[in-house]
Amino acid sequence: QKEVEQDPGPLSVPEGAIVSLNCTYSNSAFQYFMWYRQYSRKGPELLMYTYSSGNKEDGRFTAQVDKSSKYISLFIRDSQPSDSATYLCAMTNPNYGGATNKLIFGTGTLLAVQP
Amino acid sequence: DTAVSQTPKYLVTQMGNDKSIKCEQNLGHDTMYWYKQDSKKFLKIMFSYNNKELIINETVPNRFSPKSPDKAHLNLHINSLELGDSAVYFCASSQGRGRAYNEQFFGPGTRLTVL
Repeated sequence: QKEVEQDPGPLSVPEGAIVSLNCTYSNSAFQYFMWYRQYSRKGPELLMYTYSSGNKEDGRFTAQVDKSSKYISLFIRDSQPSDSATYLCAMTNPNYGGATNKLIFGTGTLLAVQP
Repeated sequence: DTAVSQTPKYLVTQMGNDKSIKCEQNLGHDTMYWYKQDSKKFLKIMFSYNNKELIINETVPNRFSPKSPDKAHLNLHINSLELGDSAVYFCASSQGRGRAYNEQFFGPGTRLTVL
């Protein structure tokens, strides 16, 4: 079993829909949670990051972390065709003085927003 | 200005050959990484260097050898290429070590195809 599980999709939604993307994980030591967006043939770019549990909002994007359930979500409101990409969740266990910032990624969910 | 650049962008080669991929970052970061992304989009860390010091060395075949001539450059040399090495290789960089979290910036990737 992988440390981080993510539904690969593809997920196809009409423009304007609310999109929900999710990841589950098994390592309770993870404390930092990230969402990366990767357009086709490009490198991943950081979209959102959160520390521990709670919500974080940035424009049309909301990230949620539920550490008790080991479950994180990314919501996209008013989705646009330009949101079509692969969304990768990532998480890390900070290890002060050691090999830090080892990100563990999910396999990514391919999202297509239809105009 | 490109923050993290990689060359070449595409690499097609025969089994058994030796090849190198170069990475440069102009962000002033002191930590650089190599990731491998397979055909299912799974992104996995291979190596990490901090100020030219190897700090993460995942379970990677000895045929893969990273080299950091200075903190702005990280190269990856692969000996005796195998079919299973076909993947997209991403370089990334971040600032700092021993901190709880540092954002990683990814390059555009090098698509390696071994025939």
